[in-house]
Amino acid sequence: SQKIEQNSEALNIQEGKTATLTCNYTNYSPAYLQWYRQDPGRGPVFLLLIRENEKEKRKERLKVTFDTTLKQSLFHITASQPADSATYLCALATGGGNKLTFGTGTQLKVEL
Amino acid sequence: DVKVTQSSRYLVKRTGEKVFLECVQDMDHENMFWYRQDPGLGLRLIYFSYDVKMKEKGDIPEGYSVSREKKERFSLILESASTNQTSMYLCASSNPSGLTDTQYFGPGTRLTVL
Repeated sequence: SQKIEQNSEALNIQEGKTATLTCNYTNYSPAYLQWYRQDPGRGPVFLLLIRENEKEKRKERLKVTFDTTLKQSLFHITASQPADSATYLCALATGGGNKLTFGTGTQLKVEL
Repeated sequence: DVKVTQSSRYLVKRTGEKVFLECVQDMDHENMFWYRQDPGLGLRLIYFSYDVKMKEKGDIPEGYSVSREKKERFSLILESASTNQTSMYLCASSNPSGLTDTQYFGPGTRLTVL
């Protein structure tokens, strides 16, 4: 069966450190993968997209890697801040490109 | 900025009631989506629409229907609400570009069915 897995346990890190979140998938061959941020009680907000032919993408303190052989994406936040505390969702393009299938998300807590 | 609005932030209904959830987007997007989000299960697609009057079932359409009479508006209908439909409902829209399909989400409606 098709599956997208993100670590369900919350990730707690200290301010200033790099946070690394993982998204693993099976039985998909997505053309691209997206990462979203979701704050409590709000809808997800798009952060980054990486295509299957790209290894790495950066945006300010964010970096995403995409390994189609391992079927894995890593999402990094460098110099993390308490304001980065949120749930981060990965989403794969499935079913013709207009549909996204989301992982369950990983909650990140950045502590002072 | 894309804006997606949902008619209610919080809604409480009784079992058996007919429930309408409305979603409006202001960016002339062609695609619109309805998801529900539950702890441990993540976002699950209920229905989506590529165009006015067009709809397609997502992963969990049972117990739901949708309506898209105008491009900017996509309604989710619970014909006879049940307690297992208590959830956070999220609407999203996107414009198909062929290369990316970033989805823009509304703030969500937390529905409680008693």
